[in-house]
Amino acid sequence: GAVVSQHPSWVICKSGTSVKIECRSLDFQATTMFWYRQFPKQSLMLMATSNEGSKATYEQGVEKDKFLINHASLTLSTLTVTSAHPEDSSFYICSARDLSFYEQFFGPGTRLTVL
Amino acid sequence: LAKTTQPISMDSYEGQEVNITCSHNNIATNDYITWYQQFPSQGPRFIIQGYKTKVTNEVASLFIPADRKSSTLSLPRVSLSDTAVYYCLVGSSGSARQLTFGSGTQLTVLP
Repeated sequence: GAVVSQHPSWVICKSGTSVKIECRSLDFQATTMFWYRQFPKQSLMLMATSNEGSKATYEQGVEKDKFLINHASLTLSTLTVTSAHPEDSSFYICSARDLSFYEQFFGPGTRLTVL
Repeated sequence: LAKTTQPISMDSYEGQEVNITCSHNNIATNDYITWYQQFPSQGPRFIIQGYKTKVTNEVASLFIPADRKSSTLSLPRVSLSDTAVYYCLVGSSGSARQLTFGSGTQLTVLP
C-alpha cells in the first residue's frame, strides 16, 4: 500500500514557540491531505483538509491562524503550530488521499509536547 | 457524513474469533465501509474495505448485510498483538471529504 511519512516523530518545545510538522506521501501524489489531532484515550479529530495549491478548510473550532497548513506540492503538506501552549500538546496525525484510491493512508503521527 | 456506532470495548482470548459490529444507519448509496486498526502512539492502519456482502483478505473478513446499515469486522484466531482500537468509518471515494472517526472499539486480547 501507499506510504505516508511524518517528520518529526516527536518534538518537545517551549511555550510560545512555533513547531512545524511535515507530512509526505512517498509513492503517490496526494491531491488531498488531512490533519487530525488525537488526545489520550480519545478518537481522532479532524482539524483541517488541505488540497494542493489551495487554502485549507478548517473544521469548526480550529483556529486557522494558530494551525497554519500549507500544501504546496502533491507530496508534501505542513502543519505549523504557532505560539504553542501546553494545551496544544497532542498526537498529530496526517493522512493523504488520491482520488483514485478508496482509502486514506495515514502517517505514523507526531507527538508534540509543549512545556 | 454518516455517523457510526461501535461498542466502546471488547475482551477476547487468544485463538478466538472476534466480531466487532458497527452500525451506520444513514449510510449513503455511494459510501464504502472501511475499518482501521490503531495501536497506541501510531497512525491508523487500513484493515479492510467493502461495499456490500462479504469481503475477505489475509487478516480479516467484513460482512455487510443487504441494507448496509451495519457491518461486522471478523478477526479470526486473534493473538495478543491484535489488542488495539478498531475504527469503523463510512465515506465516499468520489469525494475529497475526509472520513470521520467515531469512538472506536478497544479490543483487548487476553492470554
